[in-house]
Amino acid sequence: NAGVMQNPRHLVRRRGQEARLRCSPMKGHSHVYWYRQLPEEGLKFMVYLQKENIIDESGMPKERFSAEFPKEGPSILRIQQVVRGDSAAYFCASSERLADGEQFFGPGTRLTVL
Amino acid sequence: AQKVTQAQTEISVVEKEDVTLDCVYETRDTTYYLFWYKQPPSGELVFLIRRNSFDEQNEISGRYSWNFQKSTSSFNFTITASQVVDSAVYFCALSGQNTGNQFYFGTGTSLTVIP
Repeated sequence: NAGVMQNPRHLVRRRGQEARLRCSPMKGHSHVYWYRQLPEEGLKFMVYLQKENIIDESGMPKERFSAEFPKEGPSILRIQQVVRGDSAAYFCASSERLADGEQFFGPGTRLTVL
Repeated sequence: AQKVTQAQTEISVVEKEDVTLDCVYETRDTTYYLFWYKQPPSGELVFLIRRNSFDEQNEISGRYSWNFQKSTSSFNFTITASQVVDSAVYFCALSGQNTGNQFYFGTGTSLTVIP
């Protein structure tokens, strides 16, 4: 059973471009979480999704950021019109059940905005 | 509110010394989970341990041991006989049953083991 997959592992964008980060959860997992790690900081929760639904987006910036988890295919974190402050590592985690607190983390995508 | 505090920002030890990384948490949930992750320079998160709030038994895994004390809301991590390969950033995290199971991470402790 493959772990959580994220791609790309590294992404470079110029200011104003769009960034798309993909996350394929572990097989059988229907809960996906996105976290952001700014340089020299811990991970901060951004959004929690189930298939086709956003359950909690309390950690998402109000503008330029969006997330989806379609019925088929990976979860996508989309950042429009990137700015230098978006440079960070973005981690995805997935879980099978909600109740037991277990999440499996992907390797992360490191976004650099020039 | 959920909160994890790792007061030690950076620690340096000489190889073979023991080192303890502190973690203090706050939560209103009666059922919650505590975790430790290691983040080596390569950047990925390496899962070390998960402990639920009903299990206060200390755990030992090789050179690693964890001390969970609900009375002081602490979940400290000790590395015995440290090695250079232990150099990394270590994160403590909390997940509560009533908060959608999102993880709350501490700010991490950067451990450097000097040969």
